[in-house]
Amino acid sequence: GQNIDQPTEMTATEGAIVQINCTYQTSGFNGLFWYQQHAGEAPTFLSYNVLDGLEEKGRFSSFLSRSKGYSYLLLKELQMKDSASYLCAVLDSNYQLIWGAGTKLIIKP
Amino acid sequence: ETGVTQTPRHLVMGMTNKKSLKCEQHLGHNAMYWYKQSAKKPLELMFVYNFKEQTENNSVPSRFSPECPNSSHLFLHLHTLQPEDSALYLCASSPVGGGQDTGELFFGEGSRLTVL
Repeated sequence: GQNIDQPTEMTATEGAIVQINCTYQTSGFNGLFWYQQHAGEAPTFLSYNVLDGLEEKGRFSSFLSRSKGYSYLLLKELQMKDSASYLCAVLDSNYQLIWGAGTKLIIKP
Repeated sequence: ETGVTQTPRHLVMGMTNKKSLKCEQHLGHNAMYWYKQSAKKPLELMFVYNFKEQTENNSVPSRFSPECPNSSHLFLHLHTLQPEDSALYLCASSPVGGGQDTGELFFGEGSRLTVL
């Protein structure tokens, strides 16, 4: 079966750095996505990785290792507004999105 | 504002009621989707429409009935639901007509459904 694993919940301090991990086992691979979802709001696209390596976009970076079936989302200089759920999703060989259950990130002052 | 609008935002219904969820996208996209989001579970794809034609139905019970009258509007008709159907129902759209092949979806804020 296909599976995406990510931690259920993480806590971090304002101004710090946090890394949210995602491991996947899917039938093929056509890219990995990270979405952010604030409570009561729509999920919004954060990043897309299809090649190995690090993609940086402001305070957020996303890393991919296809050989290890592993990705992480790195958030720097954390702000209170970063409190949200972060969803990892993989596009499989049939171009179907396989979703993780999401990681709820709590930022404390 | 994502360009995808869902109504109602909240809905409480009894098991014998009939209600509908509405989704409208203002992005000119050709594909629209219904997802179910339950607490601590992955998003579950329910239905996909490309150019108004249903291309996927992921073994969804018949008490959920989708309708796509045009590429901008999508409905989910609900009938004789069960308490376990209580969840957040998300509508999404994408620019291409090939399903989820870009992976970048534009979501609405969802309709929170409670079945009593």
